[in-house]
Amino acid sequence: GESVGLHLPTLSVQEGDNSIINCAYSNSASDYFIWYKQESGKGPQFIIDIRSNMDKRQGQRVTVLLNKTVKHLSLQIAATQPGDSAVYFCAFKPPTGGYQKVTFGIGTKLQVIP
Amino acid sequence: DGGITQSPKYLFRKEGQNVTLSCEQNLNHDAMYWYRQDPGQGLRLIYYSQIVNDFQKGDIAEGYSVSREKKESFPLTVTSAQKNPTAFYLCASSRQIPNEKLFFGSGTQLSVL
Repeated sequence: GESVGLHLPTLSVQEGDNSIINCAYSNSASDYFIWYKQESGKGPQFIIDIRSNMDKRQGQRVTVLLNKTVKHLSLQIAATQPGDSAVYFCAFKPPTGGYQKVTFGIGTKLQVIP
Repeated sequence: DGGITQSPKYLFRKEGQNVTLSCEQNLNHDAMYWYRQDPGQGLRLIYYSQIVNDFQKGDIAEGYSVSREKKESFPLTVTSAQKNPTAFYLCASSRQIPNEKLFFGSGTQLSVL
């Protein structure tokens, strides 16, 4: 809603460039990681996920990288477009339990400059 | 179209008033969740339900109540005991299988008059 996007880290990218959004996690027991995209006034949309037995996964124009050694997750968006402008946040989940065990990051606001 | 429907999109609460946020899903999901979203914070879990007629408190349940009388419906009541209710509220659902995706509704913005 209108409250989303305030006080968030912001990344400004020129249209056509690649974007890299980062996320650090603290729980080394996490084994499932998800990236969401949230446009202003809307609910989050699933973008891509990755399990801890992988270090890279690719989707359409997006790539998620997982570095378990330093507990770091990143989302790369290729050829960023104006429609990519949104808040992006990561989520991580331990191996047991449902989404009640998920921790969500605060998000990064991506601004695409035409 | 399958999905989660939240209503209303905007809601205003007066002092001492209880308000109820609606959440309906037609995805045949067993699990449903309510989250609160505030600026500068990650989503925080209010209540969740893994099956009909059962629900559990999340991390910030005080001042809220829920019911799960039907599989497709999980309404959230923000009571007068919740002293800081202004936030964006998100309902979500998932199947009860590990690593299944979490689907979100479009949210309700609650403000205090």
